[in-house]
Amino acid sequence: NAGVTQTPKFQVLKTGQSMTLQCAQDMNHNSMYWYRQDPGMGLRLIYYSASEGTTDKGEVPNGYNVSRLNKREFSLRLESAAPSQTSVYFCASRDVPEQYFGPGTRLTVT
Amino acid sequence: RKEVEQDPGPFNVPEGATVAFNCTYSNSASQSFFWYRQDCRKEPKLLMSVYSSGNEDGRFTAQLNRASQYISLLIRDSKLSDSATYLCVLNSNSGYALNFGKGTSLLVTP
Repeated sequence: NAGVTQTPKFQVLKTGQSMTLQCAQDMNHNSMYWYRQDPGMGLRLIYYSASEGTTDKGEVPNGYNVSRLNKREFSLRLESAAPSQTSVYFCASRDVPEQYFGPGTRLTVT
Repeated sequence: RKEVEQDPGPFNVPEGATVAFNCTYSNSASQSFFWYRQDCRKEPKLLMSVYSSGNEDGRFTAQLNRASQYISLLIRDSKLSDSATYLCVLNSNSGYALNFGKGTSLLVTP
């Protein structure tokens, strides 16, 4: 079992560029999540998917879109990256009660 | 009042010491409570769930006080390897998402 995997691990973008962060889980979990973590701000929920075919906004959805491609995969897209989106992005899946996190993607937008 | 509040620390304690963290929450309807541990530049991982009657896992004891809306984590006989950030977590109104505190930093010194 790989658990939750994320690609890429690191990425540098220029302002205005787009990219998709990929996430996959092999634990057959229904719920999946995208968070960002910034110094002093803690983990903030961007979007989540309670089950395949559904997505909902979290606390900080602006500037992001998501796709729940199937039960395993949940991607996060930045259409036009901004420096304010420099952060560490964590994907997670959940089997109540525990939430399992991927190793994170460190994104820098210059 | 923020949903989940923690003292950011850092708590610097010598090996072998006992240390306690508190976390307060604002949503009296919260049903599920957890402590997560996050090592530097790593993903958060579940340390323990917190049950109404209190629960213990080795050197770690978690308590819930619903009347005062706080949870606590007690670490006995601290080890160097306990150095990490401890996140207080509870379920959100949606039931699917979790609310994370900003974390309390612990440094155990020789």
